[in-house]
Amino acid sequence: DAMVIQNPRYQVTQFGKPVTLSCSQTLNHNVMYWYQQKSSQAPKLLFHYYDKDFNNEADTPDNFQSRRPNTSFCFLDIRSPGLGDAAMYLCATSREGGAASYEQYFGPGTRLTVT
Amino acid sequence: GESVGLHLPTLSVQEGDNSIINCAYSNSASDYFIWYKQESGKGPQFIIDIRSNMDKRQGQRVTVLLNKTVKHLSLQIAATQPGDSAVYFCAETAPYNFNKFYFGSGTKLNVKP
Repeated sequence: DAMVIQNPRYQVTQFGKPVTLSCSQTLNHNVMYWYQQKSSQAPKLLFHYYDKDFNNEADTPDNFQSRRPNTSFCFLDIRSPGLGDAAMYLCATSREGGAASYEQYFGPGTRLTVT
Repeated sequence: GESVGLHLPTLSVQEGDNSIINCAYSNSASDYFIWYKQESGKGPQFIIDIRSNMDKRQGQRVTVLLNKTVKHLSLQIAATQPGDSAVYFCAETAPYNFNKFYFGSGTKLNVKP
């Protein structure tokens, strides 16, 4: 059963045209993350939500925004995509507190192409 | 607190041999570490974790070693199989914050049949 679902799996957008990537989870985890991963590089943390609290990384461009309307869903909005934003975008979840493991569960990713 | 690699080092091993993948982490105050396996076109998959109060932890066919003195992690895979071929990343938590993970540069493991 899918636990972290990302839609779409592949997204093509035009330079400067806003795009939204979606993530949903069936794990009821309170922490959700967005990572950007470029070819042959490590995933780079963009931001995360601890419940409804939004935590931005200092070097995440203002062009990237996020929304979490409820526990299950989280969105990544790229307001004006540039060619350098072409990458795989990974959504992940984890359950904070109480567990011995803080394991993150990753979705399959959305590959974004900017033309 | 993050390190990003531009070129993935590659480790090639023969099927059945043991593999050792190394990782240097950046922050001595990091308290929790995870090894991930990422296959082509997929998201990272949890392999094994270790807390900073341990120096070794074993799983099924995998062992993680932590050397806090030199800020070094290693992942040992016993009897490597073709299905182990993937990119392996270590990740560390931000100091005092188990909710933030930073990935180290990965290593590509090629298993030759």
